[in-house]
Amino acid sequence: QKEVEQDPGPLSVPEGAIVSLNCTYSNSAFQYFMWYRQYSRKGPELLMYTYSSGNKEDGRFTAQVDKSSKYISLFIRDSQPSDSATYLCAMIGYGGGADGLTFGKGTHLIIQP
Amino acid sequence: NAGVTQTPKFQVLKTGQSMTLQCAQDMNHNSMYWYRQDPGMGLRLIYYSASEGTTDKGEVPNGYNVSRLNKREFSLRLESAAPSQTSVYFCASRGLRNTGELFFGEGSRLTVL
Repeated sequence: QKEVEQDPGPLSVPEGAIVSLNCTYSNSAFQYFMWYRQYSRKGPELLMYTYSSGNKEDGRFTAQVDKSSKYISLFIRDSQPSDSATYLCAMIGYGGGADGLTFGKGTHLIIQP
Repeated sequence: NAGVTQTPKFQVLKTGQSMTLQCAQDMNHNSMYWYRQDPGMGLRLIYYSASEGTTDKGEVPNGYNVSRLNKREFSLRLESAAPSQTSVYFCASRGLRNTGELFFGEGSRLTVL
C-alpha cells in the first residue's frame, strides 16, 4: 500500500463549478499537509498549507484535513480555466524528515470554458 | 528574486553520454533535493542533501551521483545515460520552517536516445 493515494484523473469540469480534489494516506505521523499546483512544463508551486486537522481558506481555495479518516481535500470554488493544472498533495510528520515531503502522484484538472 | 534555478532546461543525450544538471538557490536554505517526474509515477526522490557537506540516497538513486558544492548549489550527474533516465528533473530546496515546505525549480527536461 502506497503511503499517499491520489486519483490521477483527468478530472474535467465546466467553468464555475466547485472542484473537489482528495488524497488518502496511511501514516498517522503526518502532521503538515500541503497542496501544490503544477502548470504544464513548470515546477510545482505551493498553493495551500495546513497543520493537523481542520479547514483553511484562501480566496477561492479551501484545504480540509480529517486526520481521523486520514483524508485531505482541496476545494476550488468558482473554478476558472486558469485553474487547469496538476494538483499534488504532500505531507510530512512533526519535525520533518530529512528526506522531505511524501507526495501523491497528482490529479490532472481541466476546467472547460 | 530567482528562488531555485536549474540549468539546462532541455537536453538531448545519446546512450552512454554523461552530463551534469546544475541547481542553485538564493534563499539560504539548508536542504536541497533532486526529483524526477515521469507520467503516472509522480515525483520520485533521487538524492537529497540535508545540509552542506552531506548527501543521502532517496527512492531512485541508481545511475546518478550528486555533489553539494556549497550551501547554494546542488548538482546531479548522470555518468552513463540510459533511455530509462529520460524524464523531467526538478531541484528543490526546503524552507526554513521545520515543516517540510519545498520550493521547486522550473525543471530540466532530459531525453536519452
